[in-house]
Amino acid sequence: EVQLVESGGGLVQPGRSLRLSCAASGFPFDDYAMHWVRQAPGKGLEWVSGISWNSIIVGYADSVKGRFTISRDSAKKSLYLQMNSLKNEDTALYYCAKGMNRWSFHPDHWGQGTPVTVSS
Amino acid sequence: QSALTQPASVSGSPGQSITISCTGTSSDIGTYNDVSWFQQHPGNVPKLIIYDVSDRPSGVSSRFSGSKSANTAYLTISGLQAEDEADYYCSIYTSRNTLFYVFGSGTKVTVL
Repeated sequence: EVQLVESGGGLVQPGRSLRLSCAASGFPFDDYAMHWVRQAPGKGLEWVSGISWNSIIVGYADSVKGRFTISRDSAKKSLYLQMNSLKNEDTALYYCAKGMNRWSFHPDHWGQGTPVTVSS
Repeated sequence: QSALTQPASVSGSPGQSITISCTGTSSDIGTYNDVSWFQQHPGNVPKLIIYDVSDRPSGVSSRFSGSKSANTAYLTISGLQAEDEADYYCSIYTSRNTLFYVFGSGTKVTVL
């Protein structure tokens, strides 16, 4: 069974940093693209960042480009999101999601999310 | 990266068919077939129900179907059921040298 468990969220002041983690199990982590998607309270889905199975193809939403960095560790079967210079508008539930296969970025499994609150 | 445009709400009676539109541009939906649709019930995680414009993942009801014309993608729900009441999001991605991914604005489906 595919499992994605996010961690690392919490309350942080504007301008500070936070690192999210996503522990993957139940599938060959090295063979799948991965994403971070967020959802602010009462709002829609917003794609944050994604990374290909081999880390060659990476992308970021304009709203986080230059502040967030996505990475993956095959040995630990984990996905990470380093978030710097956080802003109030980064407050959201952050989901980790896996792509359908090595060549498809469609997110077919999602974790339960980890909440991030940016506030002074 | 501009969000794809969806109607804020669509409603229908049980048994009816409804269609949700997802409008992009000639640079995204008009060119690429990497369109997907997600269903999200309140308090739940999103669920992939359509990918590559019209394909359904295993286990997804055949009442859900997808299509595309020019710069607009469509999700049709046939035989509307109470359990279909949820938020629906379209999305598209391109992955040449850099990954671009965008969701639609979301549509609330109400079963009358």
